[in-house]
Amino acid sequence: TAGITQAPTSQILAAGRSMTLRCTQDMRHNAMYWYRQDLGLGLRLIHYSNTAGTTGKGEVPDGYSVSRANTDDFPLTLASAVPSQTSVYFCASSDFTSGGADEQFFGPGTRLTVL
Amino acid sequence: GQNIDQPTEMTATEGAIVQINCTYQTSGFNGLFWYQQHAGEAPTFLSYNVLDGLEEKGRFSSFLSRSKGYSYLLLKELQMKDSASYLCAVSDRNYQLIWGAGTKLIIKP
Repeated sequence: TAGITQAPTSQILAAGRSMTLRCTQDMRHNAMYWYRQDLGLGLRLIHYSNTAGTTGKGEVPDGYSVSRANTDDFPLTLASAVPSQTSVYFCASSDFTSGGADEQFFGPGTRLTVL
Repeated sequence: GQNIDQPTEMTATEGAIVQINCTYQTSGFNGLFWYQQHAGEAPTFLSYNVLDGLEEKGRFSSFLSRSKGYSYLLLKELQMKDSASYLCAVSDRNYQLIWGAGTKLIIKP
């Protein structure tokens, strides 16, 4: 079982360009998340989806958009990249049930540099 | 606001015991997680506490005191492979995880 895959592994992007980070899970988890991780800071939630067809904003959603057309895929799009979006991006999933806190499983991450 | 505090870095000796503390202030509480993250890799789950007390899992144990907003992760019989960052995260009232910045643990021979 692959778990969660992310693509690309790393990317250098010119400021102003758009990019989509891909995330796919094969665990049939209903919830998926996008985080960014910056040195000296904790993981910060960008967007999340508790079930296919729904999405929500996290702590730092500005400049990012997501969609959840099906259970397995949760792409993150940067419409017009800026240098402050340089970070490591992690996708995660969990078997979310209301009334319970569930372990999140993480993908290997995408290292993005915006110049 | 919501806040998770843990030490930035700790050093310990191979074979010894180390305790990593975490204090938190969050909007609601639905449990506390500890994750391990090796450099350049993804976080992986270590433990989950929702009730007060100690949870033991092999060489790793995690303790929670809800009244004090405090948890610790105890690592026994340290091995070189335990060199990693340890992340404390609290599930808030919306079941979203609030993360600490992580504690980098350095193991010396």
